[in-house]
Amino acid sequence: SQLAEENSWALSVHEGESVTVNCSYKTSITALQWYRQKSGKGPAQLILIRSNEREKRNGRLRATLDTSSQSSSLSITATRCEDTAVYFCATEMSNYNVLYFGSGTKLTVEP
Amino acid sequence: EAAVTQSPRNKVAVTGGKVTLSCNQTNNHNNMYWYRQDTGHGLRLIHYSYGAGSTEKGDIPDGYKASRPSQENFSLILELATPSQTSVYFCASVPGGENTLYFGAGTRLSVL
Repeated sequence: SQLAEENSWALSVHEGESVTVNCSYKTSITALQWYRQKSGKGPAQLILIRSNEREKRNGRLRATLDTSSQSSSLSITATRCEDTAVYFCATEMSNYNVLYFGSGTKLTVEP
Repeated sequence: EAAVTQSPRNKVAVTGGKVTLSCNQTNNHNNMYWYRQDTGHGLRLIHYSYGAGSTEKGDIPDGYKASRPSQENFSLILELATPSQTSVYFCASVPGGENTLYFGAGTRLSVL
């Protein structure tokens, strides 16, 4: 969907390093969600950040939301090989009960 | 954790044939969704449902029908399958009062 888009198609880091995935969106939103999809599986939610929040954490994950620039980031610290996955941002809009996904960023964490 | 079960996991169909993809959830979730995933396009919404008897069109409904005969079951139907419908299809459900999608493991469909 063009309503949300990750800014990188692929990223590669080594274990222990930090990495940030960026997302931009094109319309007013009520919340933004980050999902992770491991190979052969369906996506699973990592973080939901509402439009009145600027930052949300979940363990090694930190999401930010900047509604003025219509952008979000997902940072992962102390990466592990098991963080290797495709990461999606997805936007929620008022009056809609659907999520619009970006095309995803493929993250590879190498030993 | 909410469980969403898709069947079949893999399907090979012939062009012009009818294909039915099934999705079942026993979490009593109201909303259910069908997405397809293609390289470079991410997840695109095909149809969704607010509950038994309801179906709504998503972004790319052409060539697809949906059926929600019960709270638990949501099917995606390709009446006349075409090679362009070769993709991985994901079903998801959402609990009432929140917007977290719980996805099934996907169905890989090849239309030859």
